[in-house]
Amino acid sequence: AQRVTQPEKLLSVFKGAPVELKCNYSYSGSPELFWYVQYSRQRLQLLLRHISRESIKGFTADLNKGETSFHLKKPFAQEEDSAMYYCALRPGGGNKLTFGTGTQLKVEL
Amino acid sequence: EPEVTQTPSHQVTQMGQEVILRCVPISNHLYFYWYRQILGQKVEFLVSFYNNEISEKSEIFDDQFSVERPDGSNFTLKIRSTKLEDSAMYFCASSESGGADTQYFGPGTRLTVL
Repeated sequence: AQRVTQPEKLLSVFKGAPVELKCNYSYSGSPELFWYVQYSRQRLQLLLRHISRESIKGFTADLNKGETSFHLKKPFAQEEDSAMYYCALRPGGGNKLTFGTGTQLKVEL
Repeated sequence: EPEVTQTPSHQVTQMGQEVILRCVPISNHLYFYWYRQILGQKVEFLVSFYNNEISEKSEIFDDQFSVERPDGSNFTLKIRSTKLEDSAMYFCASSESGGADTQYFGPGTRLTVL
């Protein structure tokens, strides 16, 4: 069975500071990893996925199979980054997403 | 930009009653999903649906739950006899294809069972 762990419930940073939201997973096969974001009063939306290897809104995430991690990083936090961030895993070839418990990011001025 | 819609936004029901939660997936999408999130807990997969049948379901999705695509646009989740522990936010999602494709989520229906 797969599991996703996000150790921090709340992460508070100042504007302009670097951000790292941690995500670790356990899965015996080749997973696909995603970060979803939920802004206040909005729906869950995809932020990025590891297979795209792209930067969205300044965020990047690298899949580290050795450490089974997929941490989300941004060099300089902006106020509009304040939101709930969920790491999710999908088994290779499967459909269902397994989510972590989420990290609330608060960017303070 | 097309979006997944869900109705109602909030449903209050008495324990033992049947509820139907409705979703309109994005029109050209072929795969449909239901997830739920109990307050303070993680988002959990319930079921995926493709080609008019369930393709995968979780342990949560027992005989009290059923899904249906009654017409060309709606996708419904029925809970036959609600329990207090069914109180949660229920999210519908859809994707154009399965596998690696992005799942787009609806805004959710908050179900409160009294």
